[in-house]
Amino acid sequence: QKEVEQNSGPLSVPEGAIASLNCTYSDRGSQSFFWYRQYSGKSPELIMFIYSNGDKEDGRFTAQLNKASQYVSLLIRDSQPSDSATYLCAVSLVYNFNKFYFGSGTKLNVKP
Amino acid sequence: NAGVTQTPKFRILKIGQSMTLQCAQDMNHNYMYWYRQDPGMGLKLIYYSVGAGITDKGEVPNGYNVSRSTTEDFPLRLELAAPSQTSVYFCASRAGTRGFGQYFGPGTRLTVL
Repeated sequence: QKEVEQNSGPLSVPEGAIASLNCTYSDRGSQSFFWYRQYSGKSPELIMFIYSNGDKEDGRFTAQLNKASQYVSLLIRDSQPSDSATYLCAVSLVYNFNKFYFGSGTKLNVKP
Repeated sequence: NAGVTQTPKFRILKIGQSMTLQCAQDMNHNYMYWYRQDPGMGLKLIYYSVGAGITDKGEVPNGYNVSRSTTEDFPLRLELAAPSQTSVYFCASRAGTRGFGQYFGPGTRLTVL
Protein backbone atom coordinates (compact mmCIF):
# COMPACT_ATOMS: atom_id res chain seq x y z
CA GLN A 1 0.00 0.00 0.00
CA LYS A 2 1.33 3.42 -0.94
CA GLU A 3 1.97 5.89 1.83
CA VAL A 4 0.25 8.74 0.03
CA GLU A 5 -2.34 8.50 -2.73
CA GLN A 6 -3.89 11.10 -4.98
CA ASN A 7 -6.35 10.95 -7.85
CA SER A 8 -4.28 11.70 -10.96
CA GLY A 9 -7.11 13.70 -12.56
CA PRO A 10 -7.30 15.80 -14.55
CA LEU A 11 -9.68 17.83 -12.43
CA SER A 12 -11.33 20.50 -14.55
CA VAL A 13 -13.01 23.53 -13.01
CA PRO A 14 -14.22 26.80 -14.54
CA GLU A 15 -12.46 30.04 -13.74
CA GLY A 16 -13.71 31.52 -10.47
CA ALA A 17 -14.88 28.20 -9.04
CA ILE A 18 -13.54 26.35 -6.01
CA ALA A 19 -11.12 23.53 -6.81
CA SER A 20 -10.97 20.74 -4.24
CA LEU A 21 -7.99 18.39 -4.23
CA ASN A 22 -7.70 15.40 -1.94
CA CYS A 23 -4.87 13.25 -0.68
CA THR A 24 -5.14 10.11 1.46
CA TYR A 25 -2.40 8.75 3.65
CA SER A 26 -1.92 5.35 5.18
CA ASP A 27 0.33 5.93 8.21
CA ARG A 28 -1.47 7.18 11.33
CA GLY A 29 1.92 8.49 12.45
CA SER A 30 1.71 11.15 9.74
CA GLN A 31 2.32 14.45 11.46
CA SER A 32 2.90 17.16 8.88
CA PHE A 33 1.18 17.62 5.55
CA PHE A 34 2.50 19.65 2.64
CA TRP A 35 1.03 20.82 -0.64
CA TYR A 36 3.27 21.61 -3.59
CA ARG A 37 2.41 23.01 -7.01
CA GLN A 38 4.34 21.82 -10.04
CA TYR A 39 3.99 23.41 -13.45
CA SER A 40 4.82 21.22 -16.42
CA GLY A 41 8.58 20.88 -16.83
CA LYS A 42 9.30 22.81 -13.62
CA SER A 43 10.25 21.93 -10.08
CA PRO A 44 7.73 21.69 -7.22
CA GLU A 45 7.10 24.81 -5.17
CA LEU A 46 5.66 24.82 -1.67
CA ILE A 47 2.15 26.26 -1.34
CA MET A 48 1.42 25.54 2.30
CA PHE A 49 1.67 23.00 5.07
CA ILE A 50 -0.32 22.02 8.12
CA TYR A 51 0.26 20.00 11.22
CA SER A 52 -1.96 17.26 12.53
CA ASN A 53 -3.58 19.69 14.94
CA GLY A 54 -5.44 22.02 12.62
CA ASP A 55 -6.49 23.54 9.32
CA LYS A 56 -4.88 26.54 7.69
CA GLU A 57 -5.90 29.32 5.34
CA ASP A 58 -3.49 31.37 3.25
CA GLY A 59 -5.02 33.75 0.75
CA ARG A 60 -7.07 31.73 -1.75
CA PHE A 61 -5.73 28.44 -0.42
CA THR A 62 -7.10 26.39 2.48
CA ALA A 63 -5.67 23.10 3.70
CA GLN A 64 -7.94 20.87 5.79
CA LEU A 65 -7.15 17.67 7.62
CA ASN A 66 -9.53 14.82 8.40
CA LYS A 67 -7.60 12.59 10.78
CA ALA A 68 -10.40 10.08 11.29
CA SER A 69 -10.62 9.34 7.57
CA GLN A 70 -6.91 9.97 6.97
CA TYR A 71 -7.10 12.49 4.21
CA VAL A 72 -6.00 16.06 3.67
CA SER A 73 -7.64 18.50 1.26
CA LEU A 74 -6.50 21.59 -0.56
CA LEU A 75 -9.20 24.07 -1.53
CA ILE A 76 -8.42 26.78 -4.07
CA ARG A 77 -11.00 29.56 -4.10
CA ASP A 78 -11.59 31.81 -7.11
CA SER A 79 -9.55 29.47 -9.32
CA GLN A 80 -7.52 31.14 -12.04
CA PRO A 81 -6.10 29.69 -15.27
CA SER A 82 -2.65 30.29 -13.74
CA ASP A 83 -3.57 27.71 -11.08
CA SER A 84 -3.50 25.01 -13.77
CA ALA A 85 -0.72 22.69 -12.66
CA THR A 86 -0.10 19.39 -10.91
CA TYR A 87 -0.57 19.49 -7.15
CA LEU A 88 1.57 17.17 -5.06
CA CYS A 89 0.75 16.13 -1.53
CA ALA A 90 3.53 15.11 0.85
CA VAL A 91 3.55 13.86 4.42
CA SER A 92 6.21 13.45 7.05
CA LEU A 93 5.96 11.12 10.01
CA VAL A 94 6.06 11.89 13.70
CA TYR A 95 8.88 9.36 14.18
CA ASN A 96 10.93 10.68 11.24
CA PHE A 97 10.51 14.35 10.38
CA ASN A 98 13.42 14.08 7.98
CA LYS A 99 11.65 12.04 5.33
CA PHE A 100 8.81 13.05 3.05
CA TYR A 101 6.47 10.73 1.20
CA PHE A 102 4.94 12.23 -1.93
CA GLY A 103 1.79 11.33 -3.78
CA SER A 104 1.86 11.13 -7.56
CA GLY A 105 -0.08 14.38 -7.92
CA THR A 106 -3.42 15.63 -9.22
CA LYS A 107 -3.50 17.60 -12.45
CA LEU A 108 -5.77 20.65 -12.24
CA ASN A 109 -7.12 22.44 -15.31
CA VAL A 110 -8.84 25.78 -14.77
CA LYS A 111 -10.80 26.73 -17.88
CA PRO A 112 -11.26 30.44 -18.74
CA ASN B 1 20.17 34.41 -2.98
CA ALA B 2 20.37 31.89 -5.81
CA GLY B 3 18.47 29.33 -3.71
CA VAL B 4 19.07 25.74 -4.80
CA THR B 5 21.10 25.28 -7.97
CA GLN B 6 21.65 22.09 -9.95
CA THR B 7 23.99 21.22 -12.78
CA PRO B 8 23.78 20.01 -15.45
CA LYS B 9 20.24 20.73 -16.70
CA PHE B 10 20.30 17.86 -19.18
CA ARG B 11 22.55 14.87 -19.70
CA ILE B 12 22.60 11.76 -21.84
CA LEU B 13 24.63 8.81 -20.57
CA LYS B 14 25.49 5.50 -22.09
CA ILE B 15 24.81 2.32 -20.12
CA GLY B 16 27.64 1.67 -17.69
CA GLN B 17 28.91 5.26 -17.58
CA SER B 18 29.13 7.19 -14.33
CA MET B 19 28.44 10.81 -13.51
CA THR B 20 27.91 13.23 -10.66
CA LEU B 21 24.90 15.51 -10.39
CA GLN B 22 25.78 18.69 -8.59
CA CYS B 23 23.57 20.47 -6.07
CA ALA B 24 24.34 23.60 -4.07
CA GLN B 25 22.31 25.91 -1.84
CA ASP B 26 23.20 29.30 -0.41
CA MET B 27 20.53 29.48 2.30
CA ASN B 28 22.64 27.80 5.00
CA HIS B 29 20.12 24.95 5.22
CA ASN B 30 21.20 21.89 7.15
CA TYR B 31 18.75 19.51 5.50
CA MET B 32 19.23 18.47 1.89
CA TYR B 33 17.51 15.86 -0.26
CA TRP B 34 17.77 14.09 -3.58
CA TYR B 35 14.62 12.90 -5.36
CA ARG B 36 13.85 11.33 -8.67
CA GLN B 37 10.61 11.85 -10.56
CA ASP B 38 9.55 9.46 -13.27
CA PRO B 39 6.93 10.58 -15.83
CA GLY B 40 3.48 10.97 -14.28
CA MET B 41 4.76 9.91 -10.89
CA GLY B 42 5.47 11.56 -7.60
CA LEU B 43 8.85 12.14 -6.08
CA LYS B 44 10.88 9.26 -4.70
CA LEU B 45 13.51 10.01 -2.07
CA ILE B 46 16.97 8.71 -2.97
CA TYR B 47 19.19 10.07 -0.18
CA TYR B 48 19.03 12.84 2.35
CA SER B 49 21.40 14.64 4.71
CA VAL B 50 20.75 16.37 8.03
CA GLY B 51 24.06 18.19 8.05
CA ALA B 52 27.65 18.13 6.85
CA GLY B 53 29.09 14.64 7.18
CA ILE B 54 25.71 12.96 7.81
CA THR B 55 23.76 11.17 5.10
CA ASP B 56 21.07 8.50 5.05
CA LYS B 57 19.22 6.35 2.53
CA GLY B 58 15.75 7.12 1.29
CA GLU B 59 13.28 4.86 -0.54
CA VAL B 60 15.32 4.15 -3.70
CA PRO B 61 19.09 4.41 -2.92
CA ASN B 62 20.36 1.51 -5.05
CA GLY B 63 22.72 2.61 -7.81
CA TYR B 64 23.45 5.99 -6.18
CA ASN B 65 25.86 7.46 -3.69
CA VAL B 66 26.09 10.81 -1.95
CA SER B 67 28.50 12.81 0.16
CA ARG B 68 28.09 15.97 2.20
CA SER B 69 31.42 17.55 3.02
CA THR B 70 30.04 21.09 3.36
CA THR B 71 26.70 22.63 4.32
CA GLU B 72 26.32 24.09 0.83
CA ASP B 73 26.97 21.10 -1.45
CA PHE B 74 25.27 17.73 -1.80
CA PRO B 75 26.41 15.88 -4.94
CA LEU B 76 24.72 12.70 -6.17
CA ARG B 77 26.89 10.07 -7.82
CA LEU B 78 25.53 7.55 -10.33
CA GLU B 79 27.72 4.52 -10.79
CA LEU B 80 27.25 2.19 -13.76
CA ALA B 81 24.26 3.97 -15.24
CA ALA B 82 21.27 1.83 -16.27
CA PRO B 83 18.18 2.69 -18.37
CA SER B 84 16.08 2.43 -15.18
CA GLN B 85 17.86 5.55 -13.93
CA THR B 86 16.38 7.65 -16.74
CA SER B 87 14.44 10.27 -14.79
CA VAL B 88 14.33 13.87 -13.65
CA TYR B 89 16.41 14.44 -10.54
CA PHE B 90 15.55 17.17 -8.05
CA CYS B 91 17.65 18.41 -5.20
CA ALA B 92 15.94 20.18 -2.31
CA SER B 93 16.91 21.87 0.92
CA ARG B 94 15.12 22.74 4.11
CA ALA B 95 15.96 25.02 7.03
CA GLY B 96 14.65 22.72 9.74
CA THR B 97 12.16 19.95 10.42
CA ARG B 98 8.95 21.04 12.08
CA GLY B 99 7.38 23.98 10.31
CA PHE B 100 9.65 24.02 7.31
CA GLY B 101 8.94 22.92 3.78
CA GLN B 102 11.47 22.12 1.10
CA TYR B 103 12.90 24.40 -1.58
CA PHE B 104 13.62 22.60 -4.83
CA GLY B 105 16.26 23.16 -7.46
CA PRO B 106 15.35 23.34 -11.17
CA GLY B 107 16.13 19.66 -11.79
CA THR B 108 18.43 17.59 -13.99
CA ARG B 109 16.88 15.59 -16.82
CA LEU B 110 18.93 12.41 -17.27
CA THR B 111 18.58 9.90 -20.08
CA VAL B 112 20.48 6.61 -20.07
CA LEU B 113 20.68 4.88 -23.45
